[in-house]
Amino acid sequence: DTEVTQTPKHLVMGMTNKKSLKCEQHMGHRAMYWYKQKAKKPPELMFVYSYEKLSINESVPSRFSPECPNSSLLNLHLHALQPEDSALYLCASSQYAGYNEQFFGPGTRLTVL
Amino acid sequence: SQQGEEDPQALSIQEGENATMNCSYKTSINNLQWYRQNSGRGLVHLILIRSNEREKHSGRLRVTLDTSKKSSSLLITASRAADTASYFCATDSNPQGAQKLVFGQGTRLTINP
Repeated sequence: DTEVTQTPKHLVMGMTNKKSLKCEQHMGHRAMYWYKQKAKKPPELMFVYSYEKLSINESVPSRFSPECPNSSLLNLHLHALQPEDSALYLCASSQYAGYNEQFFGPGTRLTVL
Repeated sequence: SQQGEEDPQALSIQEGENATMNCSYKTSINNLQWYRQNSGRGLVHLILIRSNEREKHSGRLRVTLDTSKKSSSLLITASRAADTASYFCATDSNPQGAQKLVFGQGTRLTINP
């Protein structure tokens, strides 16, 4: 299985809602990533997990809370988001925390009303 | 922070022609990668070139890297309609033992039948 899956594909939420994005890979990769991508812009790194530990937090607001329950699963918990947080959220994984290719999921299109 | 700058921002060519995209970056790198993204979807890894390599081929793709000029180019030969997508270069650093990719602004390639 060489796929990264993300659920849901689309999510619409109000500013007071709590929701979660889920990402899963079964390639045995030990590094996982969350990116945020606005329309016609490149992906921007949010978080990096290496061996299930948070390695990098790119000064992301606390209304985004990542979680890595095990080596195959990565969650992004959302709470009290703002309309400007509407974007495509991409998950990726790589074999190890080193210099190699990343495999991306199809993304979750998030709209905050 | 965005390290890679790509040009052109948009490129439209006829099917069968070659397409060349350029990427410049600012700091020293471990490697440089190219990714493709079809509209609103996840990114697909195309090719990785390490800092000690100058040229790499993969099928119809040819990538060059000039570390003295801090630049790279992606050549797609004999273009097809299916090559229509956005193409991003990404440079790699490895702080805190985890891989951090920084993407360029991207080139939107349109192949006209």
